[in-house]
Amino acid sequence: AQTVTQSQPEMSVQEAETVTLSCTYDTSESDYYLFWYKQPPSRQMILVIRQEAYKQQNATENRFSVNFQKAAKSFSLKISDSQLGDAAMYFCAYRSANLNSGGSNYKLTFGKGTLLTVNP
Amino acid sequence: EPEVTQTPSHQVTQMGQEVILRCVPISNHLYFYWYRQILGQKVEFLVSFYNNEISEKSEIFDDQFSVERPDGSNFTLKIRSTKLEDSAMYFCASPHPGQSGETQYFGPGTRLLVL
Repeated sequence: AQTVTQSQPEMSVQEAETVTLSCTYDTSESDYYLFWYKQPPSRQMILVIRQEAYKQQNATENRFSVNFQKAAKSFSLKISDSQLGDAAMYFCAYRSANLNSGGSNYKLTFGKGTLLTVNP
Repeated sequence: EPEVTQTPSHQVTQMGQEVILRCVPISNHLYFYWYRQILGQKVEFLVSFYNNEISEKSEIFDDQFSVERPDGSNFTLKIRSTKLEDSAMYFCASPHPGQSGETQYFGPGTRLLVL
């Protein structure tokens, strides 16, 4: 079974600065997807960024980028120019890419999350 | 971002009562998921539903839980006899058809409190 580990329960950053959130995972599969979701106080789960394991290029979405190290099974999230609205819980998640009947391998496995505080 | 809707947003119930949580996933897609998040903890997979059948369920999804798609669009999670430990946020998720990676988009959740 796959596991996802977020070793930083809490992180803080000054507004306009850069912060990196860590995520490692364990899998025996070669093809999979990795995600970062943001959960603000409203508790809505919002997709931040996605990475396909077969792609060597790191995904980028505006101020959000990842450092994907497949051999090390590491998937960190970098937030540049941090804004007050970035304050939230951030969850790293894993999803298999293996095709089987019923899509049962498509479930997401989440880490425990990192609570990010942005200081003005 | 594609929209998944859930009702109710909040539900308070007495222990032992039945609750039904509803989800309207992204239209024309066959895959649906329910997840649970106990306050302060990580999001956990409950069940996946494909082509009107359960395709996988976790150890959390015991006999008191059931899922249905009663009218071809709405997707329900029923808890037959609620326990105090069922208090949690329940999320429905649905992938967007046609996108690679089958990214799952989450509904806003239903906050269930069992007294």
